Amino acid sequence: ETGVTQTPRHLVMGMTNKKSLKCEQHLGHNAMYWYKQSAKKPLELMFVYNFKEQTENNSVPSRFSPECPNSSHLFLHLHTLQPEDSALYLCASSQAWTSGSSYNEQFFGPGTRLTVL
Amino acid sequence: GDSVTQMEGPVTLSEEAFLTINCTYTATGYPSLFWYVQYPGEGLQLLLKATKADDKGSNKGFEATYRKETTSFHLEKGSVQVSDSAVYFCALGPLGYQKVTFGIGTKLQVIP
Repeated sequence: ETGVTQTPRHLVMGMTNKKSLKCEQHLGHNAMYWYKQSAKKPLELMFVYNFKEQTENNSVPSRFSPECPNSSHLFLHLHTLQPEDSALYLCASSQAWTSGSSYNEQFFGPGTRLTVL
Repeated sequence: GDSVTQMEGPVTLSEEAFLTINCTYTATGYPSLFWYVQYPGEGLQLLLKATKADDKGSNKGFEATYRKETTSFHLEKGSVQVSDSAVYFCALGPLGYQKVTFGIGTKLQVIP
C-alpha cells in the first residue's frame, strides 16, 4: 500500500461515453501526476500539478481533461476517446517541486485499466 | 531530448541466478538516475537511485552504478528470487525538476 489510491481499477467505455478517473493520495504531498502506460512503450507523462496548478501538459489531446480541486485529489475526465487510448493510467504524487530542489520521489497508485471499444 | 534505452525482455531466470538488466541513457547535463519496479497489479515503486557520477544505488540486494563515461546505469542482483518477478523501469530526471523520463520496462520472470 503506497498511500495513493485510484478508482475505478478497471473501466470499459464506448467512444461516445464520458467517464472520470479518480486519484487520491494520503501522503501529504503537493504534486500530482497522470501517466499513460501502454504495452511496449515507455511510460508517458501526461499532466503535472504543483500546488494545484497545472505545470505540465505533455501535448495531450483535449479529449483528456485533468482536474485538481485540492492537493489530495486528482481527476482525469474522459470524453470521445479512441480505441488507441486503451491503456493503464497511473497516478502519482510527490512533494512539490520548487526551483533548485532535488528530485522528490514519486509514489504511484495501482492504476486504472481503461479499455475503449 | 532525454531518452532511456533498456532491453525489453522478457528475461527468464532460474532462482538464485545472477541478474543484469542493461540501461543506457541520453541526456543534457547531469541527471539523476533511477530504477523503478512494478509488481503485478501494482503501481511503480522506486527501487534505487543515484544522483551523480560513480554513485552506487542499492536496495533489497539490487545495485546499479551511475557510469557517466558509458552513460549507463545497469541493474544487477547476485541471486534472484521468485518474488523478484516484476517489470523493471530505468528512468532519469534532471535535478530540480519533476519530469522523469522512463524506459520501456523489462519484464523479469524468475522460475523455481
